[in-house]
Amino acid sequence: TQLLEQSPQFLSIQEGENLTVYCNSSSVFSSLQWYRQEPGEGPVLLVTVVTGGEVKKLKRLTFQFGDARKDSSLHITAAQPGDTGLYLCAGAGWVGGNTPLVFGKGTRLSVIA
Amino acid sequence: GEEVAQTPKHLVRGEGQKAKLYCAPIKGHSYVFWYQQVLKNEFKFLISFQNENVFDETGMPKERFSAKCLPNSPCSLEIQATKLEDSAVYFCASSQRTRPRGGYTFGSGTRLTVV
Repeated sequence: TQLLEQSPQFLSIQEGENLTVYCNSSSVFSSLQWYRQEPGEGPVLLVTVVTGGEVKKLKRLTFQFGDARKDSSLHITAAQPGDTGLYLCAGAGWVGGNTPLVFGKGTRLSVIA
Repeated sequence: GEEVAQTPKHLVRGEGQKAKLYCAPIKGHSYVFWYQQVLKNEFKFLISFQNENVFDETGMPKERFSAKCLPNSPCSLEIQATKLEDSAVYFCASSQRTRPRGGYTFGSGTRLTVV
């Protein structure tokens, strides 16, 4: 079973601070996705990273896929209250090519104005 | 439509009663996935369909859970004889592929409360 560990589980910061969320596994993934979920809604895709070492930027969000394709990070610069939500990483595995996405347990971010 | 529609939004059942949840995937999406989110965080995969065929059911509790995706009807997830631990938000998602780079499109979920 492929597992994704996210850390920290909870994060509360002041507006304007920077933060990094981590997603780690002992398994190799063919790709990894980051979603954000707001209360009462389903997760919404932020980015997909595919190549080991890949870095993608989405405004103030920077996503990195580890060289070995086992881990990923999400860095937010100058966090704003609108960034508040649950951040989930989800991996697509190599083994059993049609297995569904495996989700981490999420990082619940609260940005205080 | 361009969104995954889940109904009802909330469902309350007494322990032992049946619960039935519905999901209308995005038109043109061949794959439907059901996930259970407990404690507002952890997503547990239940079952997936490719059109009306079960694609992967490795996450389904066999005894009380069943699901269907029939042509020209919303997909459904049914729980017979609900238990307190079934209380969770159940999400349906659809996609054109099993592991699309464009991600899954999720519905807003059905919150099941078993009392």
